[in-house]
Order: sequence, then C-alpha cells, then structure tokens
Amino acid sequence: SAVISQKPSRDICQRGTSLTIQCQVDSQVTMMFWYRQQPGQSLTLIATANQGSEATYESGFVIDKFPISRPNLTFSTLTVSNMSPEDSSIYLCSVLLAGQGPYEQYFGPGTRLTVT
Amino acid sequence: KQEVTQIPAALSVPEGENLVLNCSFTDSAIYNLQWFRQDPGKGLTSLLLIQSSQREQTSGRLNASLDKSSGRSTLYIAASQPGDSATYLCVLSGSARQLTFGSGTQLTVLP
Repeated sequence: SAVISQKPSRDICQRGTSLTIQCQVDSQVTMMFWYRQQPGQSLTLIATANQGSEATYESGFVIDKFPISRPNLTFSTLTVSNMSPEDSSIYLCSVLLAGQGPYEQYFGPGTRLTVT
Repeated sequence: KQEVTQIPAALSVPEGENLVLNCSFTDSAIYNLQWFRQDPGKGLTSLLLIQSSQREQTSGRLNASLDKSSGRSTLYIAASQPGDSATYLCVLSGSARQLTFGSGTQLTVLP
C-alpha cells in the first residue's frame, strides 16, 4: 500500500493569488496524478505528473493555470494560479501502485481550497 | 467511452441493516474495479479492489461482486453502523489504467 500526505489540508485564498499544494508519498511510485473535485461533483483528472519531464494535461487543463512539478519519485506539487472562485474545489493527489497483486489506485487526503 | 452509474444516489438506513450499493458500467473491457469511501471534504479511502478476472472480494463486513457480462458490481455492507455513513464511489480502471468514476452513493446510517 501507499501512504500519501498533502499540504495544506485546506486553505482560503483571495482571488488572483496562487496556491501550491504538496504531495508526499511514502514509497517511490512511477505514476502520480492530480485530480480536482468540484462541489457536489465526482473527480476529474487534471494531469499526470511525470518525473523529470513536463506533466501530461487532460483536455480543459493547461500548464499556465496548473503548473506541476515532479522532482523525484516520491514528491509532486500542483500550483493553482491566478485563482478565481470557480477554482474552489478539493484537489487530490493520487498514485498508481503495483505490488505483488494488481495495480491499485491510492488517493491522498485532499486539499480543500476556497477562493473568495 | 466508459460510463459508470451508481444507484441509488442517496440512501438512508437504520443501524444494523444490511444494504447493497449498485454500480453499472457500459464497457466490460476493464482492468479492475475499486470501491472507495469518501467522507465529507476528505480524500478517498480504498475499500475493495476486484481484478477483471475475479468475481468478488471480501473485507470484514464488506463484500464486493463483479459481473462483467452484465456490466454490474455491487457493494454489500452487513450490519451497517453510523460510522459507515459516507459517499461510496465505484471506480473502474481501463486497460490503459485510466479511471472512470461513478457519481457516488451517499449513505447515511441512522443510530
């Protein structure tokens, strides 16, 4: 299994500012992802964080708005830039882990962001 | 494109009752299926994972089944407790490991 921690757990930010969310995993993982969950909605994949190269973004998400870093196999950051109230969501870090069994997805505890 | 539907959207039961949550999907070419629980404002906690070749998995009071031919999975919760109150998500992983999320069932267990 994997234990994932995120910082901060929650934040209230003013419109126009930026917030960087950190994700730390207790083991080396190849595949790490960032998801967004808007109020009352299910999760939407923002991007795959690639170690040593640029992240792979899903349709509707761009690097200028959501820059991602992945300096090593246990850590990643997601920045939400130039925030607006529409960015108020829970942001979740996730990893895909293959142990002795099948690939299994694990999620961090989430960062609850409110933009005023 | 895979579509995942969870019924009911919300469920309220008295403590001690056995209950079943349903998940249906449109494409049977899946890699695995996971059931997660999500507490309000929190992340997802994995409950059970069923591989494509399996038909069910059990953990404590939870039992999950998978029937690919009919495109269905169920999560059975025995002797429900107030601590089981949460949103339960059915999540399918495709062959390329892409995830498709159900919309969730919001469960309330009344003491």
